[in-house]
Amino acid sequence: AQKITQTQPGMFVQEKEAVTLDCTYDTSDPSYGLFWYKQPSSGEMIFLIYQGSYDQQNATEGRYSLNFQKARKSANLVISASQLGDSAMYFCAMREGNNRLAFGKGNQVVVIP
Amino acid sequence: DTAVSQTPKYLVTQMGNDKSIKCEQNLGHDTMYWYKQDSKKFLKIMFSYNNKELIINETVPNRFSPKSPDKAHLNLHINSLELGDSAVYFCASSQGNRAYEQYFGPGTRLTVT
Repeated sequence: AQKITQTQPGMFVQEKEAVTLDCTYDTSDPSYGLFWYKQPSSGEMIFLIYQGSYDQQNATEGRYSLNFQKARKSANLVISASQLGDSAMYFCAMREGNNRLAFGKGNQVVVIP
Repeated sequence: DTAVSQTPKYLVTQMGNDKSIKCEQNLGHDTMYWYKQDSKKFLKIMFSYNNKELIINETVPNRFSPKSPDKAHLNLHINSLELGDSAVYFCASSQGNRAYEQYFGPGTRLTVT
């Protein structure tokens, strides 16, 4: 069963606007972590942000913030003030208590000037 | 300074051959991983080693054999290559309890003809 779901089609966003990438997850483990990675066209995977299941506040890292809604099992990524360099695939991922990692299928984002 | 390096970056070979991909990290991390990203960009973990000990072994054909000679290296050997093995293989590393913050290598694009 798929544990991480990213269903949005490819997205176009205007430069300087904000974009929200949806991610829902499924786990019965009380302790887990959620994170987002960016994969630009060059192929490398870049860690962006992390949210622990017991964290009280939503994680933020610069222009990235994670909208964590535990009851809904969602962990959406918000990128504010989009830049051309934000064009990439974005992967939501989850770590469960046994340190197993599961990735979603990714969201393609294209920032247009 | 390259944090996680993989060689080769590209590998084209014929079915039935045996090949190896090497991975090295200079971050002093104690955990290393191998991931496979298929043509649809789906990223799936294959193996994880902690201090040279195998801790995650997903459902991967036994033609794939990871080898960790020391904490800084995790090599992937593939026997009897098949067409379906064509993919991008990523090595990653992390430190202990920060398993969510993985640093990825640049990837190795394997093409089996």
